[in-house]
Amino acid sequence: KNEVEQSPQNLTAQEGEFITINCSYSVGISALHWLQQHPGGGIVSLFMLSSGKKKHGRLIATINIQEKHSSLHITASHPRDSAVYICAVRQGGSEKLVFGKGTKLTVNP
Amino acid sequence: DAGVIQSPRHEVTEMGQEVTLRCKPISGHDYLFWYRQTMMRGLELLIYFNNNVPIDDSGMPEDRFSAKMPNASFSTLKIQPSEPRDSAVYFCASSRNSRVGYTFGSGTRLTVV
Repeated sequence: KNEVEQSPQNLTAQEGEFITINCSYSVGISALHWLQQHPGGGIVSLFMLSSGKKKHGRLIATINIQEKHSSLHITASHPRDSAVYICAVRQGGSEKLVFGKGTKLTVNP
Repeated sequence: DAGVIQSPRHEVTEMGQEVTLRCKPISGHDYLFWYRQTMMRGLELLIYFNNNVPIDDSGMPEDRFSAKMPNASFSTLKIQPSEPRDSAVYFCASSRNSRVGYTFGSGTRLTVV
């Protein structure tokens, strides 16, 4: 079993829909990261969370430390949001990130 | 700032050859990371440096892989000899400290034939 599990693996939505991607982890962490990887391959860091909620534009990330669970939400989705979204956790005392397998999101116009 | 710069963008080499991947981190960033991404295993940390010192190399697959950071503005990842199973995209990333996110380079797509 992977230490970081994401669901769903693939997600197809229509433009304008509200999107939720989930991440569960099995280890104690000091921080959780959400990353975005576009079809061209580049990786962008979206959020780093250790508690609560963060918002940037149409993206919202939440984390529940007790339940070892995080969600990434996209409001009013747009085709340009099509990408792979990757959850990664950093365990206390280390800078090492452990990654989920990613969720491939396709938003159709 | 130009971001994290990796070279080359693509590398095709024959099995048994030495391969050197290069990375220039963002100026002022104290941490540098080398990651590998494959379809089967996703993203994996290979090694990371703090202030040019290797801190954790537990992800380096075997002795064929080595990484150096001779100064704050340059790092290399070397594979010698290369094998087809080393084919992957190799990313370099840097970070100012553990409280902020990472900046990734564009990656080097390595194909070993």
